[in-house]
Amino acid sequence: QVQLQESGPELVKSSETLSLMCTVSGGSINNYYWNWIRQSPGKGLEWIGYISYSGTPNYNPSLKSRVTISMDTSKNQFSLKLNSVTAADTAVYYCARDPISSAWSYFDYWGQGILVTVSS
Amino acid sequence: DIVMTQSPESLAVSLGERTTIYCKSSQTILYSINNKNYLSWYQQKPGQPPKLLIYWASARDSGVPDRFSGSGSGTDFTLTISNLQAEDVAVYYCQQYYSSPTFGQGTKVEIK
Repeated sequence: QVQLQESGPELVKSSETLSLMCTVSGGSINNYYWNWIRQSPGKGLEWIGYISYSGTPNYNPSLKSRVTISMDTSKNQFSLKLNSVTAADTAVYYCARDPISSAWSYFDYWGQGILVTVSS
Repeated sequence: DIVMTQSPESLAVSLGERTTIYCKSSQTILYSINNKNYLSWYQQKPGQPPKLLIYWASARDSGVPDRFSGSGSGTDFTLTISNLQAEDVAVYYCQQYYSSPTFGQGTKVEIK
């Protein structure tokens, strides 16, 4: 059974960089595409981007200028960095798997999510 | 971006009854080359991540009860829950993956 677990600081100061890690167990990140999705009361569910099994990222155009997704295959982890955060970036951040390894996909396994609050 | 619009925002249904949630995309999400609709449905309970129910508009994910069914094509889709159970109380979301993924705003299902 594939499991994903998000980790990282739950409080980030405005204008700084949000950094999260997703640890995958029960399967290798050398297969499939791996995504970040966030959920906030104001904007609902929002896809942030993915990294492919070969390490190629793709981002939501609305966030592209601030986002970096990378992977560490030796640790079976992938990460999210979102810079210049504001209060609008306060959300629950999820990592999720794309089971069809496609540029655009649905998501079959999700982490439990981590609430990140941006403070001024 | 493709905008996904769900209706209604919420509904109350009696146990054992059938209910339908609607999802409309701002442009077609039917890919003509493979005749597939790039539409999925999720169920989210409080404090939990979304759970995949349906993909390709009508394919049930493994372990999903057969009282959940998806249909539709092009721009108009439905999720039907037959014989509503207490454990089906949740918010339901549709999502398109024809292009950069986007989600509907959610439909809250409660027991009447």
